[in-house]
Amino acid sequence: AQSVTQLGSHVSVSEGALVLLRCNYSSSVPPYLFWYVQYPNQGLQLLLKYTSAATLVKGINGFEAEFKKSETSFHLTKPSAHMSDAAEYFCAVRNNAGNMLTFGGGTRLMVKP
Amino acid sequence: DSGVTQTPKHLITATGQRVTLRCSPRSGDLSVYWYQQSLDQGLQFLIQYYNGEERAKGNILERFSAQQFPDLHSELNLSSLELGDSALYFCASSVQGGGNTEAFFGQGTRLTVV
Repeated sequence: AQSVTQLGSHVSVSEGALVLLRCNYSSSVPPYLFWYVQYPNQGLQLLLKYTSAATLVKGINGFEAEFKKSETSFHLTKPSAHMSDAAEYFCAVRNNAGNMLTFGGGTRLMVKP
Repeated sequence: DSGVTQTPKHLITATGQRVTLRCSPRSGDLSVYWYQQSLDQGLQFLIQYYNGEERAKGNILERFSAQQFPDLHSELNLSSLELGDSALYFCASSVQGGGNTEAFFGQGTRLTVV
């Protein structure tokens, strides 16, 4: 069964600092990986997805993630945090049949002025 | 705006009652998914429908059921409600069900059981 682990349920950074949100996956086959963001009282919005075309994936709002098979990781980064980035971030893996997304526990990002 | 519409946005009901949550997928999307988000369980997949047919089941209780209608909208029925059913219920849709398919999420229905 596929699974996703997000290290750190809460991450706090200063405005302008690097954002690093960690995600490790477990999958017996090449995974389909996604990062979603959830702003307060809103639904999930796709930030980016890994499609096996490139290991470095660029997403919206300046975020990117690097797929590292040797480390079974798909960490999300952003060079410079903005206050508007404060939200909850979810890493997810989709099964090959495309039936379901399995989500990590989420990481709440706080950005300090 | 993802294009996925969920109604109602909020629902408060008593234990033992039955409620129906509604989802209208994005135009052209054939696949609808239901997810439950709760503090203790996180985000969990409940069920998927594709073009009116049930395609996959996740951690969905027997008290819960869903269906997808010919116009592709979907309903999630929750019955004999318990306090622990209080959660945010999301609907998502996609064009099809392939592994690479992006799912678009609605804003959710927040269910509170009192």
